[in-house]
Amino acid sequence: QQQVKQSPQSLIVQKGGISIINCAYENTAFDYFPWYQQFPGKGPALLIAIRPDVSEKKEGRFTISFNKSAKQFSLHIMDSQPGDSATYFCAASSSISSGSARQLTFGSGTQLTVLP
Amino acid sequence: GAGVSQSPSNKVTEKGKDVELRCDPISGHTALYWYRQSLGQGLEFLIYFQGNSAPDKSGLPSDRFSAERTGGSVSTLTIQRTQQEDSAVYLCASSSKRGGGTDTQYFGPGTRLTVL
Repeated sequence: QQQVKQSPQSLIVQKGGISIINCAYENTAFDYFPWYQQFPGKGPALLIAIRPDVSEKKEGRFTISFNKSAKQFSLHIMDSQPGDSATYFCAASSSISSGSARQLTFGSGTQLTVLP
Repeated sequence: GAGVSQSPSNKVTEKGKDVELRCDPISGHTALYWYRQSLGQGLEFLIYFQGNSAPDKSGLPSDRFSAERTGGSVSTLTIQRTQQEDSAVYLCASSSKRGGGTDTQYFGPGTRLTVL
């Protein structure tokens, strides 16, 4: 029930295209859904996050769409650029019993390649 | 300011040896997490420290794994009698408590462990 399923495993898009990565979860206790971006040799970095009380959040070219009833959420990258080429991880969390800090459950990652 | 730092960046060891991996969190962050990232996989939660509270060890894969956090700051992850399946990138993250219950986890660059 802790699993977060992510697809596709890899994605190739042309410059200027839209990249879409999907995630699904089972645990209804999850109440925070961040996306992380990871470049080779670096640790993951927070890209954008959403809470289940909204259906969409947009920051620049990055948009999260959230469907609470389907327990699914997705990342859309508009006008994809070669510099967006990285591995993207969705994640989900719920409050850990000891306080407000959160354990993240990650998807398996999507390797995005944006062709010039 | 300085981010999360980890050392060493790479570690090659022989099967059966013990290894210690170090994490320096962002100054003032009370929460510290260890994750393991195996090749082509997502991040697997290992252990979490919150201030001076007892750590959440629920993600440790075996009793060969242990971690400590001295003085609420630096943390050391120790793997005893290493096995080849321990080969992975070990990532550390830290976060600070905030109102609203959401904490951005800031990741270090990781330690790549190779067990021969």
